[in-house]
Amino acid sequence: TQLLEQSPQFLSIQEGENLTVYCNSSSVFSSLQWYRQEPGEGPVLLVTVVTGGEVKKLKRLTFQFGDARKDSSLHITAAQPGDTGLYLCAPDQGGSEKLVFGKGTKLTVNP
Amino acid sequence: DTAVSQTPKYLVTQMGNDKSIKCEQNLGHDTMYWYKQDSKKFLKIMFSYNNKELIINETVPNRFSPKSPDKAHLNLHINSLELGDSAVYFCASRPGQAIYGYTFGSGTRLTVV
Repeated sequence: TQLLEQSPQFLSIQEGENLTVYCNSSSVFSSLQWYRQEPGEGPVLLVTVVTGGEVKKLKRLTFQFGDARKDSSLHITAAQPGDTGLYLCAPDQGGSEKLVFGKGTKLTVNP
Repeated sequence: DTAVSQTPKYLVTQMGNDKSIKCEQNLGHDTMYWYKQDSKKFLKIMFSYNNKELIINETVPNRFSPKSPDKAHLNLHINSLELGDSAVYFCASRPGQAIYGYTFGSGTRLTVV
């Protein structure tokens, strides 16, 4: 069973600040997905990273997959209240029929 | 149109009752899932079906029984509900490979009293 850690568990910041959240494991993954879950809703896919060292940008969100494909980070620039939510990483070890989710980082961006 | 729809959105019931949650997806996906999210927001897989065939059955009590009448529907029936079953249950679907990502429903909040 892979050990998957997301940090920090909670993060509360002011609008306009930058932040980075992390997803770390001792296992190597074939790909990794990031989801955002807003209160009362299901998780929504933000991005999938596949190649070691890959960087993907989605507006103010920058996702990076570690060179060894064991970890990933999500950086948000100039956070806005609309970024508030639970950020979940879900790595895929390849050949698995299921995604295992991390415990998430709960982000609150205060106006 | 909602891609993955679950009903009901909220369900409050007494211990010992039997209840069902329904899920339908109109995305043409082959694989559907049930996940349970506890009070600490941890999402844990319960079941997965691929084209009506059960492919994943995690360590879930026998009181939980999924049923897939066709590949667009995956229902969850729970017998003899217990307090610990209180959680938010999410249905999800995906196309052929996990790399394409899951589409989740908006969840069913089950409260057992």
